[in-house]
Amino acid sequence: AQKVTQAQTEISVVEKEDVTLDCVYETRDTTYYLFWYKQPPSGELVFLIRRNSFDEQNEISGRYSWNFQKSTSSFNFTITASQVVDSAVYFCALSEGGGNKLTFGTGTQLKVEL
Amino acid sequence: GAVVSQHPSRVICKSGTSVKIECRSLDFQATTMFWYRQFPKQSLMLMATSNEGSKATYEQGVEKDKFLINHASLTLSTLTVTSAHPEDSSFYICSANPIRNRGTYNEQFFGPGTRLTVL
Repeated sequence: AQKVTQAQTEISVVEKEDVTLDCVYETRDTTYYLFWYKQPPSGELVFLIRRNSFDEQNEISGRYSWNFQKSTSSFNFTITASQVVDSAVYFCALSEGGGNKLTFGTGTQLKVEL
Repeated sequence: GAVVSQHPSRVICKSGTSVKIECRSLDFQATTMFWYRQFPKQSLMLMATSNEGSKATYEQGVEKDKFLINHASLTLSTLTVTSAHPEDSSFYICSANPIRNRGTYNEQFFGPGTRLTVL
């Protein structure tokens, strides 16, 4: 069975600080996909990234970066120089094999203050 | 890009009434749509998988007679909450998979959600 753990329930930072959101996953499949989504107060999910299990390269997109480590079953997300607009709930999610069912973590509420 | 809409975005109803939520893929055809429920400050939980032209597959613990799903066309799936009660108040989100070639990843696109409040 697949499982996603986001141990950080809530994180508060001051603007311009760097912040890392942790995600640990469990799966028995060798082929799987990992995702990060942002959910602002409006509720709509915003897709941030998808990574498949065969691609362990880290990725950087502007102020966002992701660190995928299969050895520790982690897929952590770092926001550099955080901004108030980054305040949202961030979900890590897992999809196994060829299926499309997503298992979401419990989410991390990020609050960025001035 | 692929757009998924939901209607209504917000609904308030009295206890005992039924509420229908529509999920539409606006610029693509979707053989599969998913329905999620999110209680306040909680994660998204998959309720059911809806395949066009066949019965929906419900997750364990989800009452299929209470949450009726109809996927009548390749662009529309509906979720009907029957005899709604206050404990059904939640944020309901749908997602849709476009028809893709075999071997390519089948992306999932999310709708904006419907906030249901049952008084």
